[in-house]
Amino acid sequence: RKEVEQDPGPFNVPEGATVAFNCTYSNSASQSFFWYRQDCRKEPKLLMSVYSSGNEDGRFTAQLNRASQYISLLIRDSKLSDSATYLCVVQEGKIIFGKGTRLHILP
Amino acid sequence: ETGVTQTPRHLVMGMTNKKSLKCEQHLGHNAMYWYKQSAKKPLELMFVYNFKEQTENNSVPSRFSPECPNSSHLFLHLHTLQPEDSALYLCASSQAGTENGEQYFGPGTRLTVT
Repeated sequence: RKEVEQDPGPFNVPEGATVAFNCTYSNSASQSFFWYRQDCRKEPKLLMSVYSSGNEDGRFTAQLNRASQYISLLIRDSKLSDSATYLCVVQEGKIIFGKGTRLHILP
Repeated sequence: ETGVTQTPRHLVMGMTNKKSLKCEQHLGHNAMYWYKQSAKKPLELMFVYNFKEQTENNSVPSRFSPECPNSSHLFLHLHTLQPEDSALYLCASSQAGTENGEQYFGPGTRLTVT
């Protein structure tokens, strides 16, 4: 099993819809979790940290499920500007990036 | 300037050349990182520096040589590279003395080895 796995997508979603994707991790001792977004030919940017109790930032909600070893990102009322690749990051001492999930918001 | 800057933004070099990539962070962080991003691969962590000391070297070939003269500057010296080294090289910085997942990235240097 890969250390950090993400569905590569692409997810093609109409504007205004809700979309969610998951990221699974293999090391149960993983300590911290993050979501980054990366626009085409740009650097990754931190979107949000993922807390054990779940957290929300505007239209974005992140959740952690330690029992099943995955984190999720939910985007409500999606905008065209949400089109990007979303990278999952797991920290278990070392930092491991997932390959990312591509999201296309369709007008 | 703010954030993390990298120069040059684009670099084309032959296999026998020697070049250096530069990274500077203006965030007051004390950890800096080099990553390699190739097409269809996840970000690969290459080197980590905490308070100017190298704390991680992920089995990177010796043709890549990092240098961290202070907490704000990081260099990656390149020599006798191979075509498969062509990639986007990203620098990042963070707070804290150990690897921290909350990182701020520079725009990257897109390297092509001919």
